[in-house]
Amino acid sequence: DLVMTQSPLSLPVTLGQPASISCRSSQSLVHSDGNTYLNWFQQRPGQSPRRLIYKVSNRDSGVPDRFSGSGSGTDFTLKISRVEAEDVGVYYCMQGTQLPVTFGGGTKVEIK
Amino acid sequence: QVHLVQSGAEVKKPGASVKVSCKTSGYTFTNYVTHWVRQAPGQSLEWMGWINGGTGNTKYSQKFQGRVTITRDTSASTAYMELSSLRSEDTAVYYCTRSGGMDVWGQGTTVSVSS
Repeated sequence: DLVMTQSPLSLPVTLGQPASISCRSSQSLVHSDGNTYLNWFQQRPGQSPRRLIYKVSNRDSGVPDRFSGSGSGTDFTLKISRVEAEDVGVYYCMQGTQLPVTFGGGTKVEIK
Repeated sequence: QVHLVQSGAEVKKPGASVKVSCKTSGYTFTNYVTHWVRQAPGQSLEWMGWINGGTGNTKYSQKFQGRVTITRDTSASTAYMELSSLRSEDTAVYYCTRSGGMDVWGQGTTVSVSS
């Protein structure tokens, strides 16, 4: 199975400051169809996951533009340009290139 | 508007089975795959399997093979996930989510397994 490794585990951030989360996969996530199926999810306390980014860098409708995704191959990053209070939660990367679908261990974003 | 509404919380004894439903609306159920993902307390997300809403074909994680059965009722636009031989480690929140990169999720169903 493809292993997704996220870092850091915990990310204390000052309001208004940037934040960056890394996600590395054990193998390339480039599918035979040429797409890279790497998504990012936000899970606020007590809520279901919410997709923020799909296929590495495409922001979902309604997601603030302070969220951005980048990367290729095995290395990916989610960036928040200026953290706001509502961004507190756990962030997960997920690969859908190869079955079984696998998720990273999560990164908890909290306000300093 | 797309919605996935799941059945209510369940409490089960070890060895029992549980069946969770996921009623969809706002889109054509048969055009999408429905995934099932679970989350144990304080843990990350774990993919269990999916069902093709149109063909009924299924794919399961090897971890759950033999214990999980995913079905659907196209007339009700509903998917079901049944997990058998429950043990305490199956205590988790179970989610359904739509294919197309898991863009929409159900509210989750808490399943507690305890003697």
